[in-house]
Amino acid sequence: NAGVTQTPKFRVLKTGQSMTLLCAQDMNHEYMYWYRQDPGMGLRLIHYSVGEGTTAKGEVPDGYNVSRLKKQNFLLGLESAAPSQTSVYFCASSSIGAGNSNQPQHFGDGTRLSIL
Amino acid sequence: GQNIDQPTEMTATEGAIVQINCTYQTSGFNGLFWYQQHAGEAPTFLSYNVLDGLEEKGRFSSFLSRSKGYSYLLLKELQMKDSASYLCAVLDSNYQLIWGAGTKLIIKP
Repeated sequence: NAGVTQTPKFRVLKTGQSMTLLCAQDMNHEYMYWYRQDPGMGLRLIHYSVGEGTTAKGEVPDGYNVSRLKKQNFLLGLESAAPSQTSVYFCASSSIGAGNSNQPQHFGDGTRLSIL
Repeated sequence: GQNIDQPTEMTATEGAIVQINCTYQTSGFNGLFWYQQHAGEAPTFLSYNVLDGLEEKGRFSSFLSRSKGYSYLLLKELQMKDSASYLCAVLDSNYQLIWGAGTKLIIKP
């Protein structure tokens, strides 16, 4: 049972380069999320999606774009990477969204991204 | 602004009991989650509280007091594998999860 799969697991970029992080879930979840996790800080929501074809901004959306063309996939793009975007990125999914009582978010294993 | 406070680090002994506290100030409240995160791994769901009181799940229990903006996670019969970070997260009025920075729990033999 794969759950939430993120690719790649590690990446080093140079400032100004672009890349796309892929998240795939096989649980038929409606909601998907992209977070970043930095030392000493809580998870911060970058963008999220409430269903196929929809996206919305989270707490820290600047410098990132997302797309949800298929229900099972949620892509996070960095158009022009900056050192401040060095972080661990987690994708998560949940059924009907976290607002439906006790439906928890399920997380992927993370992508460790370094921007030089 | 929205704020969730947890101790940065705690140390406990194998076999003992430890209580990890979480206080929150958020715009609205639609529930509180606890997650466990081992170093280098993804967070995994532990518990959910939306009503006041204690929820028990095996060795783990979670308590909520909405009037005090307070929750705790109680871990009993500690095992070495419980060494991890414990994340408190509150679902605000917009149904967005607001996360605490996490409490790193170190278990000593």
